[in-house]
Amino acid sequence: DSGVTQTPKHLITATGQRVTLRCSPRSGDLSVYWYQQSLDQGLQFLIQYYNGEERAKGNILERFSAQQFPDLHSELNLSSLELGDSALYFCASSPTQGSNSGANVLTFGAGSRLTVL
Amino acid sequence: AQTVTQSQPEMSVQEAETVTLSCTYDTSESDYYLFWYKQPPSRQMILVIRQEAYKQQNATENRFSVNFQKAAKSFSLKISDSQLGDAAMYFCAYRSGGETSGSRLTFGEGTQLTVNP
Repeated sequence: DSGVTQTPKHLITATGQRVTLRCSPRSGDLSVYWYQQSLDQGLQFLIQYYNGEERAKGNILERFSAQQFPDLHSELNLSSLELGDSALYFCASSPTQGSNSGANVLTFGAGSRLTVL
Repeated sequence: AQTVTQSQPEMSVQEAETVTLSCTYDTSESDYYLFWYKQPPSRQMILVIRQEAYKQQNATENRFSVNFQKAAKSFSLKISDSQLGDAAMYFCAYRSGGETSGSRLTFGEGTQLTVNP
């Protein structure tokens, strides 16, 4: 158990629908990251939050949004789902926001497998 | 933008033997970090080893070691005394050391390692 909790583990839904993926970071970690892993795109960085504030944005679609709450858990909202959104969505957490510390290592959750039919 | 390339989609090794996985990266930065993550069939992303670019000494973690060649922008992973439990997808990852970039990781395409008994 990495200490990063993601729910649900599996989710099957239909095109056009909206889903919410939830992540609880490791105790003491202030940063949360979302990654998408698909067969054709590999592991893609979506977005990072630090202590409730958006910190960095990657290849996140406009149909996707995220937030980090005061208790530091994060949610990734995926709307108007398309077949191509089927993927494994990872959440990771780290102690701080900074990249200049070797100690700021990302710990990953087990992922949420999204299947869009 | 930084890129990470793993040129070996698949590798295999006999149990107890040694195998080396290759990774090259492209960056104009001088301060960065490199990582190897392992993804077994459980899908969990597990940190194997990390290397700070400013350190000349190659990192070692038990049976895992790296060969970091900064000038050549090469970062290979050596697994000694391979075990069946080492079978997994291995990802090389890059992280900028710049404070403004957050702590996002850029991943390579992955190398699927098979360990034969």
